Amino acid sequence: DGGITQSPKYLFRKEGQNVTLSCEQNLNHDAMYWYRQDPGQGLRLIYYSQIVNDFQKGDIAEGYSVSREKKESFPLTVTSAQKNPTAFYLCASSLLGSGNTIYFGEGSWLTVV
Amino acid sequence: GQQLNQSPQSMFIQEGEDVSMNCTSSSIFNTWLWYKQDPGEGPVLLIALYKAGELTSNGRLTAQFGITRKDSFLNISASIPSDVGIYFCAGPMDTGRRALTFGSGTRLQVQP
Repeated sequence: DGGITQSPKYLFRKEGQNVTLSCEQNLNHDAMYWYRQDPGQGLRLIYYSQIVNDFQKGDIAEGYSVSREKKESFPLTVTSAQKNPTAFYLCASSLLGSGNTIYFGEGSWLTVV
Repeated sequence: GQQLNQSPQSMFIQEGEDVSMNCTSSSIFNTWLWYKQDPGEGPVLLIALYKAGELTSNGRLTAQFGITRKDSFLNISASIPSDVGIYFCAGPMDTGRRALTFGSGTRLQVQP
């Protein structure tokens, strides 16, 4: 089935650790995105990438890093520099020039313990 | 900076009632999108609007692109329990970034 796969669904992190969230898509989409969602709030853009080997910061990039080595993959690393990482993380993708319509994965819950 | 104001924040209605929610932007949009998010899942696209004044339906859902291009409306007719969730409006980010900015969402609860 075509779609966007995020893993893991649930992740627990100790303070001071880096963790990486996986996002894979088989939709042949050019652009990929990471959003963060806090309880009762909207979605905030962390990073996005329009083509392989290129990515741009969103509104809340501090404490996060990404890579785009393959068109299908856009992993997000939550570093120890992110002071409040507990949140729901959403990966999305889109075709370029598709009227900005983006499609989401099922999300990953990250909890700091 | 760019702001999307979505209202109401939450609604609690009886099954069968109609629902209306809206979104306003501080800047002009050329696209309005409406998404629904079920608990613990990613948002799913409901309706996309591309032209001022456009009125588009998807089953019991109807959305409109405001004439001023700074607002949009979503209506749900004859609500059912599975309409429960959070509804988000979204539009293109300003400053040329090719990503979407989202409203804070309208949380809908439907009493059977």
